[in-house]
Amino acid sequence: AQTVTQSQPEMSVQEAETVTLSCTYDTSESDYYLFWYKQPPSRQMILVIRQEAYKQQNATENRFSVNFQKAAKSFSLKISDSQLGDAAMYFCAYMDSNYQLIWGAGTKLIIKP
Amino acid sequence: DAGITQSPRYKITETGRQVTLMCHQTWSHSYMFWYRQDLGHGLRLIYYSAAADITDKGEVPDGYVVSRSKTENFPLTLESATRSQTSVYFCASIRGDTQYFGPGTRLTVL
Repeated sequence: AQTVTQSQPEMSVQEAETVTLSCTYDTSESDYYLFWYKQPPSRQMILVIRQEAYKQQNATENRFSVNFQKAAKSFSLKISDSQLGDAAMYFCAYMDSNYQLIWGAGTKLIIKP
Repeated sequence: DAGITQSPRYKITETGRQVTLMCHQTWSHSYMFWYRQDLGHGLRLIYYSAAADITDKGEVPDGYVVSRSKTENFPLTLESATRSQTSVYFCASIRGDTQYFGPGTRLTVL
């Protein structure tokens, strides 16, 4: 069975600086999708970024980028130029062949002004 | 493009009452999901549906019933609500091989 591990329950970063959130996963499949979702205090679950496993190129979305290491089964999220609005819970997730998501426990990101 | 809508957004009910949470998606995708999220925790899958009239249990199905007569709707019913079902409920569907979520329903059972 697939598992997703986020080893950092909480991270803090100074506004305008860069922070990296860690995620590792375990799977025996070769083709899959990985995601980072953001959940602000409003509780809305918002897609941040996604990565297809068959693509070697790391996904980027504006200030958000990932470091996808398929062999190491690692999928970290880098947030550049952190903003106060980035404060939220961040969940890493793996999608299986039935479109089901396996979730990490989440990392709470605190932005210091 | 409304995407996924949920209703009601907030609901207060009493123990033992039946409650139905509605979910509607405009993408006509076959897969839909119901999750619950308790304070300080991640999402747990209650039920999912691969197509109209096809549903299957997730991690925490006890106390819940689902139906799916139309592709775009996936209601979740608590047949006899209990205090332990106080939670935020999220519906999700698929667009472009990605799960997208509705805004959630905050349910309180007194």
